[in-house]
Amino acid sequence: GAGVSQSPRYKVTKRGQDVALRCDPISGHVSLYWYRQALGQGPEFLTYFNYEAQQDKSGLPNDRFSAERPEGSISTLTIQRTEQRDSAMYRCASSLVNQETQYFGPGTRLLVL
Amino acid sequence: TQLLEQSPQFLSIQEGENLTVYCNSSSVFSSLQWYRQEPGEGPVLLVTVVTGGEVKKLKRLTFQFGDARKDSSLHITAAQPGDTGLYLCAGVANSWGKFQFGAGTQVVVTP
Repeated sequence: GAGVSQSPRYKVTKRGQDVALRCDPISGHVSLYWYRQALGQGPEFLTYFNYEAQQDKSGLPNDRFSAERPEGSISTLTIQRTEQRDSAMYRCASSLVNQETQYFGPGTRLLVL
Repeated sequence: TQLLEQSPQFLSIQEGENLTVYCNSSSVFSSLQWYRQEPGEGPVLLVTVVTGGEVKKLKRLTFQFGDARKDSSLHITAAQPGDTGLYLCAGVANSWGKFQFGAGTQVVVTP
């Protein structure tokens, strides 16, 4: 079956613009996670969902970042008024249930000019 | 501040040598996972350990969870170039929490 997919794979935007990053988890997976990863570093937790409920958003850097998963499947991470420091690889992962094996997507590389 | 400290940050060895990487914390974890990540790819799970003192083997890889469930190690015997990658540990503190990742150990195995 299909793995976790993310779109777009690359996004270049100008400072001040809003961006929306999409994650399509493995079908049937209850839990969905968003991470940000710097090159050569471990993923930094942003937020996660069980079904449509956002369980923990403590990793979101500030109120410009938000995420939703309205139907318990596809999720969108939105960054408003982007800044250059938001440039990073944004990764999504899903698991059958929380704390089980996480399957990571290919990531979205965001570059804010 | 990293909840999980991984060491060393970087390790370069020759094919056939052994290596050990460490994952340490002052916190107790209910479970801990090890992942390997190759360039341009997402992390891929290697193993999950849940019991203090647990040892798991995966071919040439041996994983150990500390008795107090605060630390873990990954030992690779007779390393091969295919073992090259970023090794990440991730721990969860309680049954409803999220995983926190360490910064990773970059391993390079040269032929």
